[in-house]
Amino acid sequence: AQSVTQPDIHITVSEGASLELRCNYSYGATPYLFWYVQSPGQGLQLLLKYFSGDTLVQGIKGFEAEFKRSQSSFNLRKPSVHWSDAAEYFCAVGAGGTSYGKLTFGQGTILTVHP
Amino acid sequence: ETGVTQTPRHLVMGMTNKKSLKCEQHLGHNAMYWYKQSAKKPLELMFVYSLEERVENNSVPSRFSPECPNSSHLFLHLHTLQPEDSALYLCASSQVPWGTDTQYFGPGTRLTVL
Repeated sequence: AQSVTQPDIHITVSEGASLELRCNYSYGATPYLFWYVQSPGQGLQLLLKYFSGDTLVQGIKGFEAEFKRSQSSFNLRKPSVHWSDAAEYFCAVGAGGTSYGKLTFGQGTILTVHP
Repeated sequence: ETGVTQTPRHLVMGMTNKKSLKCEQHLGHNAMYWYKQSAKKPLELMFVYSLEERVENNSVPSRFSPECPNSSHLFLHLHTLQPEDSALYLCASSQVPWGTDTQYFGPGTRLTVL
């Protein structure tokens, strides 16, 4: 069975600082990896996804993530954080084959941005 | 309307009430999902529908009853709920019902059971 671990429950950064949110996954085959963001009272918005090919993936809002198979990681990065980036971030892994909707989410990381 | 919409956004109900949550997707997708998001717990997949047919039920209690009359609409009928059912209920859709396909989420319904 697949699983996702987001080691940091809460991260605080200053506006303009760089950001890295960690994600480790466990899955026996080639993973399909996603990062979603959830603002308070809102649903989840897709930031980026990795299926295959280039291991550095660009997403919306200036985010990128790097897939490292050797470390089973898919960390999310942003070079300069804006106050509007404060939200909760979820990493997820999708099962391949015919596993219906089997998207497993991590616990989430809450990002606080200080002015 | 664009994307995935959900109504109502907030719902308070007693344990003996019957209510329904509604989800509509405007993306032309063929698969729809219900998730439960509780505090301090990962998102839990509840149901998966593909072309109006339920294809996955993740051991959800029978007090939750989904309905998918067509590929654009999804309902979650609620009856005799418990306080621990209080949560944010999220609807999502995707082109196909596989876990590898990108799912698009609605804003959710915040449910409080008294």
